[in-house]
Amino acid sequence: KQEVTQIPAALSVPEGENLVLNCSFTDSAIYNLQWFRQDPGKGLTSLLLIQSSQREQTSGRLNASLDKSSGRSTLYIAASQPGDSATYLCSAGGTSYGKLTFGQGTILTVHP
Amino acid sequence: DADVTQTPRNRITKTGKRIMLECSQTKGHDRMYWYRQDPGLGLRLIYYSFDVKDINKGEISDGYSVSRQAQAKFSLSLESAIPNQTALYFCATSAGGTGDQETQYFGPGTRLLVL
Repeated sequence: KQEVTQIPAALSVPEGENLVLNCSFTDSAIYNLQWFRQDPGKGLTSLLLIQSSQREQTSGRLNASLDKSSGRSTLYIAASQPGDSATYLCSAGGTSYGKLTFGQGTILTVHP
Repeated sequence: DADVTQTPRNRITKTGKRIMLECSQTKGHDRMYWYRQDPGLGLRLIYYSFDVKDINKGEISDGYSVSRQAQAKFSLSLESAIPNQTALYFCATSAGGTGDQETQYFGPGTRLLVL
């Protein structure tokens, strides 16, 4: 059974800092790895999807990497802003039908 | 307008009552999913559907049933609600296929409280 762990559980940083969120998964036979953000009272918003054959994906200030052999993914946020404050969720896609196993999330607070 | 909508957004019900949560999407996606989110447990898959005639159980389907009325509509029912079904429920959709087509798009969620 796939298990996904995210470290740290919470992170507070001053505006402008570069930061890294970590995600680990126990079964390396994943189909893809997705990062989402969740804002209070709202649903999840997809940030990046990395296919199993890829090593990384980039979108604006966000960069996500994937190392299947070690069962790890990282989300790098450059020049953090208060608007980045949210819960970030990592999910491992196990098969082509889209079943996702989620981590518990990292609560990020960026203060001015 | 939102691509994935859920109704109601909040619901309070009593133990033993039957309730239905509804999900509609305008993305034209074939695949739809129902998840629940609990503090400390993360999101877990309840049911998923690839099309109107293809419905499958997820990891925690006991106590739930679903109906795919059309490509755009996927409903989740609690036949006899119990307190441990108190949670935040999300509907999601994806196009399916490969690459970015696997991206899942989530609705805003339904907060359910069972007394």
